[in-house]
Amino acid sequence: SSELTQDPAVSVALGQTVRITCQGDSLRNMYASWYQAKPGQAPILVIYGKNNRPSGIPDRFSGSSSGNTASLTITGAQAEDEADYYCSSRDTSGKRVMFGGGTKLTVL
Amino acid sequence: EVQLVQSGAEVKKPGESLTISCKASAYRFTTYWINWVRQRPGKGLEWMGRIDPRDSYTNYSPSFQGHVTFSIDESTNTAHLQWTSLMTSDTATYFCARPNLPGDTTALSHWGQGTLVIVSS
Repeated sequence: SSELTQDPAVSVALGQTVRITCQGDSLRNMYASWYQAKPGQAPILVIYGKNNRPSGIPDRFSGSSSGNTASLTITGAQAEDEADYYCSSRDTSGKRVMFGGGTKLTVL
Repeated sequence: EVQLVQSGAEVKKPGESLTISCKASAYRFTTYWINWVRQRPGKGLEWMGRIDPRDSYTNYSPSFQGHVTFSIDESTNTAHLQWTSLMTSDTATYFCARPNLPGDTTALSHWGQGTLVIVSS
């Protein structure tokens, strides 16, 4: 499959937990990576692999996967987490990369 | 500290050619693929493809194959993205990015600051 599907927008109250999902056939066999993107800035990798956080990423970010769905969970969302979040994985050929359409997270 | 520093913003006319650059530092350049990612104004991220600095082997997204060319200058640790004939639809910010691990494809842990390309008559 050559598509990753994300909800266009999600909102969460400050301090609450939010889950952002990503669906695609490739996710049955491959882990997703997750990126945080803010206007005018380069994207930041927040989760990769089974559930790995790069250095400097707060532990309120976590990842999980089930079937064809990958999820990014933010436990105790902060105002600075308001951003666009993109999932990514290889396609089924393994040679190319796909991004989901992105989810705009609003922290209320 | 690993850095990817991209060339500055460009304003071009349709049909013109353009090459933008991404200079890497503080790591062994040939160890990690360089990926290119497009973001049109107000739109999402699009993977354009990647190039292996060891031998310039490339994988292009079908959406970009034939319209752009990736290249490497190993002597300066620089990756290049080239167009021979720009279109207005090429107006976007272009990012180079390096994966977290050698041989990895999707976990892009280091990004350039982006190069804004505006194509307008």
